[in-house]
Amino acid sequence: EAQVTQNPRYLITVTGKKLTVTCSQNMNHEYMSWYRQDPGLGLRQIYYSMNVEVTDKGDVPEGYKVSRKEKRNFPLILESPSPNQTSLYFCASRRGLIETQYFGPGTRLLVL
Amino acid sequence: SQKIEQNSEALNIQEGKTATLTCNYTNYSPAYLQWYRQDPGRGPVFLLLIRENEKEKRKERLKVTFDTTLKQSLFHITASQPADSATYLCALVGYNFNKFYFGSGTKLNVKP
Repeated sequence: EAQVTQNPRYLITVTGKKLTVTCSQNMNHEYMSWYRQDPGLGLRQIYYSMNVEVTDKGDVPEGYKVSRKEKRNFPLILESPSPNQTSLYFCASRRGLIETQYFGPGTRLLVL
Repeated sequence: SQKIEQNSEALNIQEGKTATLTCNYTNYSPAYLQWYRQDPGRGPVFLLLIRENEKEKRKERLKVTFDTTLKQSLFHITASQPADSATYLCALVGYNFNKFYFGSGTKLNVKP
């Protein structure tokens, strides 16, 4: 089944404790993105990747890092999480520039 | 900066009627626009894409229009059903084809 998977689905952590949210797609897609979703603010793009080793900032990149060492994986790294990064995070992928974007199931993060 | 507005109030309609959702934007010239459906606790699901040089797109009971002069897209669901109840998001994509800007969504309630 074609899908985008994220792990973990739920995470409670404390301020300053580094964490990684994994994202994997099995569709051989070139393009991948990370978003965060907050009430009243909608989905905001954090980072995106056009291919292996090619990444760029989205609208809200501060406090996040990404890497794309393999085509299928696009992990999101929070080096020193803060409470304002409490949010619902989505990973997404698409095959080409003007193509359907497929979203993962989301990771709900709470930073205390 | 760009601004995307969707009606934050829920739209309540009777089963069988046509639902019309609005997406307005300012300070932006998108290359294309997408509409997504999002159910509670799930990732958005792609519905339709319309390019800036297209006026209208249809898919089964769904229709989207795009007026770049008015800076507005309308999303229609004809013969609506209770199963269409969800939040609908619009997303604008610029000419770099990698940055996505989402509205905060409109919740649609279809009553039997």
